[in-house]
Amino acid sequence: EAGVTQFPSHSVIEKGQTVTLRCDPISGHDNLYWYRRVMGKEIKFLLHFVKESKQDESGMPNNRFLAERTGGTYSTLKVQPAELEDSGVYFCASSQDSLYGYTFGSGTRLTVV
Amino acid sequence: AQKVTQAQTEISVVEKEDVTLDCVYETRDTTYYLFWYKQPPSGELVFLIRRNSFDEQNEISGRYSWNFQKSTSSFNFTITASQVVDSAVYFCALSEAGGSYIPTFGRGTSLIVHP
Repeated sequence: EAGVTQFPSHSVIEKGQTVTLRCDPISGHDNLYWYRRVMGKEIKFLLHFVKESKQDESGMPNNRFLAERTGGTYSTLKVQPAELEDSGVYFCASSQDSLYGYTFGSGTRLTVV
Repeated sequence: AQKVTQAQTEISVVEKEDVTLDCVYETRDTTYYLFWYKQPPSGELVFLIRRNSFDEQNEISGRYSWNFQKSTSSFNFTITASQVVDSAVYFCALSEAGGSYIPTFGRGTSLIVHP
């Protein structure tokens, strides 16, 4: 089975620009999560989808971040406008049952200059 | 206070040495899960182990072993006879009922194994 796919793998953008990250979960996984790791710090939770609904978005840093999951399949995370502090690695994970572990993607390394 | 503390930021060893990565967690839930993930240089997070709060048995998988001690709220990870391919960042994580079982991660420990 294909794993969790994220793209792009790397993105370098200028402050003020817009970037959209995409995550394709494992087929059939209703739960989709976004996390972010800023250099040297912990991997922090951003939000959780169950199918197309946002179950928990308590970790979203501010309204410059917008996540969607149309049709309950892939998800996008848009940052608009990007700021320097948004730099980091954005991970997506999916699970069929939240109790039994998560499969993470390779992450998108975002650099805002 | 952090829910998951990985006090070791970076560990450097020489190949064939044994190394232990520490993880201390904090929770008020009686039902919770602990995880270890490996992040190799390629970037992905690789699942290593999941342990539930009711199972304190230590686990061994090849050169990897895990020591879960509820009395000290620790879930330490030992690599025996380390190899260069073990070089990676290792994350400990906790998921608890009070947090909808969404994992909370520690800051990670960077392990460097020198040949």
